[in-house]
Amino acid sequence: RKEVEQDPGPFNVPEGATVAFNCTYSNSASQSFFWYRQDCRKEPKLLMSVYSSGNEDGRFTAQLNRASQYISLLIRDSKLSDSATYLCVVKYSGAGSYQLTFGKGTKLSVIP
Amino acid sequence: DAGVIQSPRHEVTEMGQEVTLRCKPISGHNSLFWYRQTMMRGLELLIYFNNNVPIDDSGMPEDRFSAKMPNASFSTLKIQPSEPRDSAVYFCASSSTASGYTFGSGTRLTVV
Repeated sequence: RKEVEQDPGPFNVPEGATVAFNCTYSNSASQSFFWYRQDCRKEPKLLMSVYSSGNEDGRFTAQLNRASQYISLLIRDSKLSDSATYLCVVKYSGAGSYQLTFGKGTKLSVIP
Repeated sequence: DAGVIQSPRHEVTEMGQEVTLRCKPISGHNSLFWYRQTMMRGLELLIYFNNNVPIDDSGMPEDRFSAKMPNASFSTLKIQPSEPRDSAVYFCASSSTASGYTFGSGTRLTVV
């Protein structure tokens, strides 16, 4: 069965710190990659896609290493509002549609 | 855009009772997904539909679970009979080839 592995944490960091999460995936045929954010008792929401060349969105930087089959998310200058669970997500396609496989998530708590 | 709408938000039922969860996807989205989330197992894909047709139901835990999508704007997930181990948050998500996933707010099911 396809798997996506993440360190569950929790990561407890002070405001302003830089924190990084890693994720590994087992299926080398995986096509697309994402980070989702899930707040407590809420639904997951797309944070950002992950591109092979790496991409940045404000304080967030995502990287992909296809050879090693891992994905990373870097958060700079952490804010209290960044506290959430971050889900690593891998996309597989087939039969004219696609499905996403989610990691169990890494919990981040940003402390004042 | 009202997003993906799920009902009920919360459901508490006794073991052995039938439970029906409902989902209205975003208009124009041609794929619909049912996920179950628990602390132990994270987000698990139960079944997904493409153009109202079930594509992959390998994640459905057992025959007590069934899902239907009679038209493009409505899907149900039914558990009959329910058991305490079915207690979880059930998410519905929809997508199109041009968009990512959008999740509903989830149904929190408790079977006592």
